[in-house]
Amino acid sequence: QKEVEQDPGPLSVPEGAIVSLNCTYSNSAFQYFMWYRQYSRKGPELLMYTYSSGNKEDGRFTAQVDKSSKYISLFIRDSQPSDSATYLCAMSANQAGTALIFGKGTTLSVSS
Amino acid sequence: DAGITQSPRHKVTETGTPVTLRCHQTENHRYMYWYRQDPGHGLRLIHYSYGVKDTDKGEVSDGYSVSRSKTEDFLLTLESATSSQTSVYFCAIKNRVGTDTQYFGPGTRLTVL
Repeated sequence: QKEVEQDPGPLSVPEGAIVSLNCTYSNSAFQYFMWYRQYSRKGPELLMYTYSSGNKEDGRFTAQVDKSSKYISLFIRDSQPSDSATYLCAMSANQAGTALIFGKGTTLSVSS
Repeated sequence: DAGITQSPRHKVTETGTPVTLRCHQTENHRYMYWYRQDPGHGLRLIHYSYGVKDTDKGEVSDGYSVSRSKTEDFLLTLESATSSQTSVYFCAIKNRVGTDTQYFGPGTRLTVL
């Protein structure tokens, strides 16, 4: 079993839809959870960051972490064509110097 | 973009040749990372550095070496490039003290023929 599992999609939705992206993980030591957005031929861009369990909202984006289920989600409200990208979840156990463990990414396409 | 640049941005080379990729940062960050990104595998850590001359291996370090002689520069070297090292290489820095958030450079697209 991979440490982090993420459905690669692709996921296609119409403009204005609510999008739900998810990752599951197996390492209970993970404490920091991130979502990155990556446009084609660009570097990953940090979108949301959450420590431990709970919700965090930033504009149209909401990140949720459920450590008891080892499950994290990213919700995008009122999706826009500019949201079309690959979304990567990432997490770490917050030990100095350790790398992030990434999901493989979900490709999202929002049509106008 | 957290002041990270990578060079070259694109490179085509032949099997067996040495290749060096450069990551340069302008904000004096201590931690720097090299990842590769491949279809079906996602982002995987090659090597990282926690200070000048302090480096350690990541998940996929075989065939790669790194050096950091200055805070601002982290070099990734393929001593003898192979076709399996065709990939997109990203450099990252850890920006915020006390968190594990990382910020990525624009990437280098390497093709080994």
